[in-house]
Amino acid sequence: EAGVVQSPRYKIIEKKQPVAFWCNPISGHNTLYWYRQNLGQGPELLIRYENEEAVDDSQLPKDRFSAERLKGVDSTLKIQPAELGDSAVYLCASSPGGAGINEQFFGPGTRLTVL
Amino acid sequence: GDSVTQMEGPVTLSEEAFLTINCTYTATGYPSLFWYVQYPGEGLQLLLKATKADDKGSNKGFEATYRKETTSFHLEKGSVQVSDSAVYFCALTPFGGNEKLTFGTGTRLTIIP
Repeated sequence: EAGVVQSPRYKIIEKKQPVAFWCNPISGHNTLYWYRQNLGQGPELLIRYENEEAVDDSQLPKDRFSAERLKGVDSTLKIQPAELGDSAVYLCASSPGGAGINEQFFGPGTRLTVL
Repeated sequence: GDSVTQMEGPVTLSEEAFLTINCTYTATGYPSLFWYVQYPGEGLQLLLKATKADDKGSNKGFEATYRKETTSFHLEKGSVQVSDSAVYFCALTPFGGNEKLTFGTGTRLTIIP
């Protein structure tokens, strides 16, 4: 079974430029998460989707970040414009959803460098 | 808010040594607790979990016991191998289910032959 797929794996841009990250979750997983991991830190949630609905976006900097999950499958996270402080690894995770303790499965991440 | 405090690294041990990585947490209610591992060049993987007090999670020779009285979830392994070299993250979800994970800062472990 394929895991969570993310692209690109690496991205280098200049500040003020836009950037987008793509995530394909594990087939059948209803819940999708975007986390940001700064160097030397643990991941922090940006947004969580249940199917197409964003149910927790309280930590998403909405002035420059946006996300969508069309048809409840793939998701895109966008930054416009990027700032130097956005340099980090952006992780996508998915879980089956439903009741009980659901394991979150993580993708390999996209490493963003803003110059 | 919820938080996880991990033993600071990096940690370097010789092969076959005993490993302990400390983890304590602050949370309301009864969180579920996890250890995730990140091997070089790979994504985060669930290593083990415990969902209620006194539960012991175990996997690949690693163990951790949910201690509510000390709000701790320390990771242990009796004899480490070179292949255990990775970054280890302690994490919690406040109510289980699909809630977000709150992570510690991670502990980098290096095992030397």
